[in-house]
Amino acid sequence: SQQGEEDPQALSIQEGENATMNCSYKTSINNLQWYRQNSGRGLVHLILIRSNEREKHSGRLRVTLDTSKKSSSLLITASRAADTASYFCATDGGNTPLVFGKGTRLSVIA
Amino acid sequence: DAEITQSPRHKITETGRQVTLACHQTWNHNNMFWYRQDLGHGLRLIHYSYGVHDTNKGEVSDGYSVSRSNTEDLPLTLESAASSQTSVYFCASSPRTGSYNEQFFGPGTRLTVL
Repeated sequence: SQQGEEDPQALSIQEGENATMNCSYKTSINNLQWYRQNSGRGLVHLILIRSNEREKHSGRLRVTLDTSKKSSSLLITASRAADTASYFCATDGGNTPLVFGKGTRLSVIA
Repeated sequence: DAEITQSPRHKITETGRQVTLACHQTWNHNNMFWYRQDLGHGLRLIHYSYGVHDTNKGEVSDGYSVSRSNTEDLPLTLESAASSQTSVYFCASSPRTGSYNEQFFGPGTRLTVL
C-alpha cells in the first residue's frame, strides 16, 4: 500500500501564482523525495529532503518536512505553463525501496 | 550519455500470451526497479533487484517475474498476460542501496492486453 498520500489530487492555477502540494506519510523515514512526471514521460527527480532537515530550496522549489506530523509540502513559486505535470512524493525508509504516493496533477494556465 | 531505455514503447498482446518488457541502463547502477502506473493507484512496485542474481518481490508481483543476469538489464516477464495487467510500466535504476538515492526512470512501456 502507498506510504505517501498527496493532497490535493488536482490543482489548477494561473501562470505566476504559487502552487503548493502536500504529502502525508505513515511510518518513519530516512528521507523524502519529490518527482515530476510530464504527460507520457517517466518520472524525474526534483529534490530530496533528509529526515533531519526542515526546509530545502532548489531554484523555484521549496520543500518542507515536518517529521512530527509526518508531512511534507512542495511549493513552486511563480509557476509557469511548463510546470504543468504530475508531482509525486516518495518516502525512503532506508534499505527498502522508495514508496510513491498517487500524485498531484498540476495545471498551470497561461 | 548514460541513460535508461525501455522496449517496446507500446505493446498490444492477447490474454494468455507470455510477454517480456526490456529495461536497459548504462549507468552501471546496482539497483533496478519495475513499477506499473494506473489511474487512481499511482506507481506500484512490481519487482526490484539490488544486484546481479538478486531479485525481490514488490507490492504487486503476482503474475510477473524478473531475472538479473547482468548489471545493465532487468527484463520483466508476464507469464500469462491478463487484462488486469493492461497498464503503463516504468523501469528505474539507482546507484546503491540505502538512503539518499534518487531513482532514474525510463520512458515507460504502454501495454494493452486484449
